[in-house]
Amino acid sequence: NAGVTQTPKFRILKIGQSMTLQCAQDMNHNYMYWYRQDPGMGLKLIYYSVGAGITDKGEVPNGYNVSRSTTEDFPLRLELAAPSQTSVYFCASSYRNQPQHFGDGTRLSIL
Amino acid sequence: DQQVKQNSPSLSVQEGRISILNCDYTNSMFDYFLWYKKYPAEGPTFLISISSIKDKNEDGRFTVFLNKSAKHLSLHIVPSQPGDSAVYFCAAVDSGTYKYIFGTGTRLKVLA
Repeated sequence: NAGVTQTPKFRILKIGQSMTLQCAQDMNHNYMYWYRQDPGMGLKLIYYSVGAGITDKGEVPNGYNVSRSTTEDFPLRLELAAPSQTSVYFCASSYRNQPQHFGDGTRLSIL
Repeated sequence: DQQVKQNSPSLSVQEGRISILNCDYTNSMFDYFLWYKKYPAEGPTFLISISSIKDKNEDGRFTVFLNKSAKHLSLHIVPSQPGDSAVYFCAAVDSGTYKYIFGTGTRLKVLA
């Protein structure tokens, strides 16, 4: 029972590089979310999706892009990495009106 | 502008005693509240929730209390166990949007 799977677990990027953080869930959840957590802070919503083909911005979307072509997958794209994007990224999924299930996170450092 | 606040960054409690974690919110549109527990290098795990139509919800050793007039909720853990040592986040939801707003977390340490 995999739940929410995030890859990679760790990554170091140089400023200006791009990368995609992968998120997959096997619970057939229609809602999926991307958060970032900075030290000493709560989780901040980056983007979310209520179903395949539908995405919307959260609190901190600048510098990121998402797509949702299938129910299972919700990748997060960083186009031009900046030091301010150093953070731990969490993906989550849920049914409507049900608690979100989280992956174990991707720790990203940008140097 | 923090809509959800956890004013205690850390809390230490003796094993067997009660742990009380607090959370305050400002937005009266929030109508659903959750507590998550997080261990290092893992994602948050759902613990317990409460709807705004209730003032208490219990699940085993965990009880959440909601005081809507004070815009305050608390999580009680009785009795506390060393395995409860983790960071606890409260989250508030406007069910019209399904977006969670998280507090900054409280690190609980249960001493054996």
